[in-house]
This record gives sequence, structure tokens and C-alpha cells, in this order.
Amino acid sequence: DVKVTQSSRYLVKRTGEKVFLECVQDMDHENMFWYRQDPGLGLRLIYFSYDVKMKEKGDIPEGYSVSREKKERFSLILESASTNQTSMYLCASSEGQGWDGYTFGSGTRLTIV
Amino acid sequence: KNEVEQSPQNLTAQEGEFITINCSYSVGISALHWLQQHPGGGIVSLFMLSSGKKKHGRLIATINIQEKHSSLHITASHPRDSAVYICAHNDYKLSFGAGTTVTVRA
Repeated sequence: DVKVTQSSRYLVKRTGEKVFLECVQDMDHENMFWYRQDPGLGLRLIYFSYDVKMKEKGDIPEGYSVSREKKERFSLILESASTNQTSMYLCASSEGQGWDGYTFGSGTRLTIV
Repeated sequence: KNEVEQSPQNLTAQEGEFITINCSYSVGISALHWLQQHPGGGIVSLFMLSSGKKKHGRLIATINIQEKHSSLHITASHPRDSAVYICAHNDYKLSFGAGTTVTVRA
């Protein structure tokens, strides 16, 4: 019954590495989102996409890029990982505006050493 | 400044106690959501509210649109209620509160 799948639950990478986080949804949703979650700051939007090959910056896009080549897959890329990107990363998808079918993945806890 | 403010940030209760989490928001909204996140990361929706009150089991959510305030209550709390509770308001990107970490001790 898994609907939004993130490829890794835990990931450890080195400073300066290029890091790929993958997210796949099987609900044919138009919208996909990447958030990071930090203690005391809550969920902050990094990037989102409302269609294939479309992307929009969220609140904290610096140091990240995204790719959406297929409707079901939304990738988050850390171009050159830094220790301040150590965080929990959550992917989500939705159908329409707002909360239509909003579904989160289980998250990837990324540690940059 | 976050558009959605939650309090308290952390809360510890004994099993059986009544728990209240508060959420205030600064912009007009069409709906407010309460979410639950268990250790391990996955987030599930508990309630979507646009007015009044909703109840599901031991969970009750209320909203006052005029005062821009919502509360989530847990009655007869149980250790399995230990989780992070997050409120979010419903624009097309969603805006989230920082979350309240609830720990219920047996």
C-alpha cells in the first residue's frame, strides 16, 4: 500500500559529494514537493513541481536542484553537499491545489560528514 | 516569521492525562490541517478543519476562524500517542508549524 516511496531511509555522504535523493509516487499526482525538516524549524519547502519538467523554488532552494523527467519521479540533488544540509528530507505529492490527496513519503535522514 | 505558530514545542504527559496543543496562524485560510509524525518520519493527516470541531476516537480538533486559532486535544492519552503533531494551513504549497513533540509516559 506504499504510495510515495523515498529510495533511502538513512544516508551518509561526504562533504562536497553530489547527492541524489529519489522519490516515486504511484498515484498519478500532478504535484510533487521536497521538504527538509529540522528541530524547531519544522517543514520547509525546498522545491516543488506541478508538472513534468516543471519546477518552482520553494523557501530554501539554495544548494539544491531538482529533476522531474517523468510524472511519477521527483529527484532532489545536492550539488555539493555541506554539513548544514544534514537533515530529514521528506517528499510529498498531491493532486490539485492545497490538500487534495496530499501524501508524504517516509523520509530520508541524510547525514553529511 | 513563520505564518503558523505552534505551542508548546515539547510536551510530556502521564498516561491518561488530557493534552492540548495550540496553533495560531497569521493569514486568512480556507482550511487547517493537523498531522501526526511518528518516529521514523512518515507523516499522516489527522484532520482537515475549516470550521467548528472534529472528533476521531480520542482526538478532538477545534478551530476559531475569527481568532485564527486551532487546538488539538488528546483525551486519555496513551504512550502510543507519542509523536510529533504538526499543524499546517492550506495554501497551494502548505505552510507548516514547527511541530509539537508529545511524549506520553506509562
